[in-house]
Amino acid sequence: EAGVAQSPRYKIIEKRQSVAFWCNPISGHATLYWYQQILGQGPKLLIQFQNNGVVDDSQLPKDRFSAERLKGVDSTLKIQPAKLEDSAVYLCASSPPAGGPQHFGDGTRLSIL
Amino acid sequence: GNSVTQMEGPVTLSEEAFLTINCTYTATGYPSLFWYVQYPGEGLQLLLKATKADDKGSNKGFEATYRKETTSFHLEKGSVQVSDSAVYFCALLNFGNEKLTFGTGTRLTIIP
Repeated sequence: EAGVAQSPRYKIIEKRQSVAFWCNPISGHATLYWYQQILGQGPKLLIQFQNNGVVDDSQLPKDRFSAERLKGVDSTLKIQPAKLEDSAVYLCASSPPAGGPQHFGDGTRLSIL
Repeated sequence: GNSVTQMEGPVTLSEEAFLTINCTYTATGYPSLFWYVQYPGEGLQLLLKATKADDKGSNKGFEATYRKETTSFHLEKGSVQVSDSAVYFCALLNFGNEKLTFGTGTRLTIIP
């Protein structure tokens, strides 16, 4: 089965610019997650979708971050405007409807200059 | 709240050495426990899991046993290889919200 697809793999922008990341989960996986992984730390959950509805976005900095999953399949995460502290790897994961382990994509490494 | 504490790294071992990476947790209820591995430039891959007390997860020569009495889930391997060099994350998941809580990761380097 195809894994979780993410793009781009790398992105370099200047602070105050905007950036968007894309994720396509494993087919049939109802739950989709976005994580932020800062260098030297474990992943931190930003937002969790169940189909196209938000289950948990308590850790999402809503003044600058937004995410959507319009058709309950792929998802985009946007940062506008970016700050230096947003430099991190952004990981997308998905899990099947009945629960079970989360499967991760390779991530997007974001560098803010 | 939930938390996971991992042995601090980095850890450097010689090939064929015995590996232990400690992991302890704090959680309400009875979480499932996981070890994920992250190779350079890649996302996290599930290495092994255990869903209840005394369960042993195993994969690729790695093992970990869910110890409720000590709230631990230590990762072990009897003979490591250079290809095991990676960052290892311990994590827990409480059913109901399906949220994974990760430790900070332990970087493992195996030298020939």
